Amino acid sequence: AQKVTQAQTEISVVEKEDVTLDCVYETRDTTYYLFWYKQPPSGELVFLIRRNSFDEQNEISGRYSWNFQKSTSSFNFTITASQVVDSAVYFCALSEESYGQNFVFGPGTRLSVLP
Amino acid sequence: KAGVTQTPRYLIKTRGQQVTLSCSPISGHRSVSWYQQTPGQGLQFLFEYFSETQRNKGNFPGRFSGRQFSNSRSEMNVSTLELGDSALYLCASSRDRLGGYEQYFGPGTRLTVT
Repeated sequence: AQKVTQAQTEISVVEKEDVTLDCVYETRDTTYYLFWYKQPPSGELVFLIRRNSFDEQNEISGRYSWNFQKSTSSFNFTITASQVVDSAVYFCALSEESYGQNFVFGPGTRLSVLP
Repeated sequence: KAGVTQTPRYLIKTRGQQVTLSCSPISGHRSVSWYQQTPGQGLQFLFEYFSETQRNKGNFPGRFSGRQFSNSRSEMNVSTLELGDSALYLCASSRDRLGGYEQYFGPGTRLTVT
């Protein structure tokens, strides 16, 4: 069965601190995809990144970086030098080749960046 | 390119009534998925439509239904509303129905059932 766990319910950091959001997933498929989304207070989910199960290369985009490790079924997200605008709820999601667009979302981590 | 649009943005309905929500996907996107978001259950998949056919369905009762039109626009209907149906309903569109395509979300319709 598919499952996504985000153990951190809420995190508070002070601006300019680095913060890592954890994501652990479960799947039986060999072909699957992992995503991160950001939901700011306005409510609209914003797509951040997609990773497929065959690509374990880490990715960096500006202050954002992602670490995908199949051995531990984890897909963690790090924000470097956090800013107040990073305050949002962050969701990790999983889709499987066999289930198409049926995304399974984790419960989300609420990040508060304090000035 | 315009994003995913959803109408209405807010709705207040009474228990027992029915409601129809509308979603217009990004131009060129053929897959439309619907999700229910509540504080207790989080984001839960309702169903997905592609080429006017329901392709995937989540674990929701038959009171929740949807359809997709030939221009890819989609509607979602909830009949015999219950208090527990109060939620943010999110529509997402994707270029294709395969699992590897990312979904782009609309702003949501916030439904309150009294």
